[in-house]
Amino acid sequence: AQSVTQLGSHVSVSEGALVLLRCNYSSSVPPYLFWYVQYPNQGLQLLLKYTSAATLVKGINGFEAEFKKSETSFHLTKPSAHMSDAAEYFCAVSDPSNNAGNMLTFGGGTRLMVKP
Amino acid sequence: ETGVTQTPRHLVMGMTNKKSLKCEQHLGHNAMYWYKQSAKKPLELMFVYSLEERVENNSVPSRFSPECPNSSHLFLHLHTLQPEDSALYLCASSQDLAGGLGTQYFGPGTRLLVL
Repeated sequence: AQSVTQLGSHVSVSEGALVLLRCNYSSSVPPYLFWYVQYPNQGLQLLLKYTSAATLVKGINGFEAEFKKSETSFHLTKPSAHMSDAAEYFCAVSDPSNNAGNMLTFGGGTRLMVKP
Repeated sequence: ETGVTQTPRHLVMGMTNKKSLKCEQHLGHNAMYWYKQSAKKPLELMFVYSLEERVENNSVPSRFSPECPNSSHLFLHLHTLQPEDSALYLCASSQDLAGGLGTQYFGPGTRLLVL
């Protein structure tokens, strides 16, 4: 069984500061990992995904994440926060080895607040 | 229309009402999903359909009844709901169910309030 833990349900940063959102996973097989963002009153949008190619993955809006197998982590970072980054962020994992590999297990989400 | 659309966007219903949520994907995908998003709880996968056949039902109460008449449309029929069913219901689709590389594309959701 897979699981995802996002440390910190709320993260607050100042505009221009580094954004770091943490995600740790548990999986019995090498997983695929995803970060989604949800803006208010909208559905989820894919930010980036790791699918066993490069361990440092670049996504949209200046976000990137690094897969660290030894730490079972896939933390999301952005060097400089913008007010428009305020949203809820979800880490998710899939198991590519089974017939339903596109089913996702989501973490609990982290709400990012950006202060002016 | 592009992507995944959901109607209605907002719904208020009494516990004795019957209503339906509709999802339509314009991406040519073969797999569709219903999720429930409640405050302070992780996203809950409710139902999964692949090529119009249900492949997953995560112990969802029978007052929720899904229907997938074709690969582009997914419905969630609601009857005799409880106030705790109030939530954002999200629909998603992916190219296929297998493989793991398939990104899920989400609709904007239906905000449901049960009185």
